[in-house]
Amino acid sequence: GEDVEQSLFLSVREGDSSVINCTYTDSSSTYLYWYKQEPGAGLQLLTYIFSNMDMKQDQRLTVLLNKKDKHLSLRIADTQTGDSAIYFCAEGLYSGAGSYQLTFGKGTKLSVIP
Amino acid sequence: EAQVTQNPRYLITVTGKKLTVTCSQNMNHEYMSWYRQDPGLGLRQIYYSMNVEVTDKGDVPEGYKVSRKEKRNFPLILESPSPNQTSLYFCARQSTEAFFGQGTRLTVV
Repeated sequence: GEDVEQSLFLSVREGDSSVINCTYTDSSSTYLYWYKQEPGAGLQLLTYIFSNMDMKQDQRLTVLLNKKDKHLSLRIADTQTGDSAIYFCAEGLYSGAGSYQLTFGKGTKLSVIP
Repeated sequence: EAQVTQNPRYLITVTGKKLTVTCSQNMNHEYMSWYRQDPGLGLRQIYYSMNVEVTDKGDVPEGYKVSRKEKRNFPLILESPSPNQTSLYFCARQSTEAFFGQGTRLTVV
């Protein structure tokens, strides 16, 4: 079955760039996602990338996709204390039965040091 | 404004006492899911529903039931809750841009 792996913790200083990495195993993924979860809150869709793209930029966020290595990364430029949260990588796949399933990684807790 | 609303947000209950967590969406969306989130395990899908009266098991369905009598509502039912169902639960509009509810933190003692 599919598996999504990401490191559990990342600590960066305010103003630096953060890079959160993720690997996935299913090459048939349609979209790959980054979700953000702030303490006590639900999941917020940060950004996503279609599987035939290499890169997507959205303000401070840059998503890089290496399909050959099945590697996805999220770069946050000029990291702020408000970026402290858990970040989930997820892959989306259409199943044979026509359903669209999401498989999540375990989440990376980003701590921003002032 | 698109919304997925879960109730209650917090619940403490005792082992064996049946409970229902409600979920409603205002997007007229067909596809809905329930997930549970546990530390170190990420989100795992419990059940999903592709349309009214169409439900299917996800990765961790044991101990749960769902119903989908109408498109708007997708309740999660725990007939006999046990302590290992203590978790954070999310209902979601399932699509290429999944939209999550705020979560229900359930504690079973």
